[in-house]
Amino acid sequence: QLQLQESGPGLVKPSETLSLTCSVSGGSISSSSYYWGWIRQPPGEGLEWVGSIYYSGSTYYNPSLKSRVTISVDTSKNQFSLELSSVTAADTALYYCARHSSMRTGVFAPWGQGTLVTVSS
Amino acid sequence: QSALTQPASVSGSPGQSITISCTGTSSDVGAYNYVSWYQQHPGKAPKLLIYEVSNRPSGVSNRFSGSKSGNTASLTISGLQAEDEADYYCSSYTGISTFVFGTGTKVTV
Repeated sequence: QLQLQESGPGLVKPSETLSLTCSVSGGSISSSSYYWGWIRQPPGEGLEWVGSIYYSGSTYYNPSLKSRVTISVDTSKNQFSLELSSVTAADTALYYCARHSSMRTGVFAPWGQGTLVTVSS
Repeated sequence: QSALTQPASVSGSPGQSITISCTGTSSDVGAYNYVSWYQQHPGKAPKLLIYEVSNRPSGVSNRFSGSKSGNTASLTISGLQAEDEADYYCSSYTGISTFVFGTGTKVTV
């Protein structure tokens, strides 16, 4: 059964870079059938797609975050990562990683349990 | 890329049916049959309920059904149960390899 697990610092200072990793187990991140995405949810608010990556390294970003987001993949470790630069309090959120089907159907499943990142000095 | 519009809350009694709407534009919901629905219980990760407008993944109850008309997609929950009390989110492909989620709906049973 495929499982995803987010990890990274829970506290980041304003203007610094948020870095998270999603570890995939029970399946290969190199599967040609799937993409790997990041979704975030500010406390008490709705979901926002951050971006996605294919195992080959092709990336796709939310236009509203594109200038600050970098998603990368490490197939040797079966992991993919998120970097969000110049963070502000507005980036405080629960960050989820998820597998999804094509870059059209966008069927996100399964999801990791999520990791809370707080931006504060 | 604006969030899809959902009602903030919908309520119903056990056994009743409720419908949650998800309104987008002719560039997202109206343009593609790539609408998904997710259920999120408090403190839990979202769970896929419906994909490609009306398809249910294996293991999801047939009490959940999806449809679309024009720029609005809908999720119907029939035979409402206490366990259905949760937040529900729609999502859609928006073109140019991007996705957008809905504003979310709190269902109270």
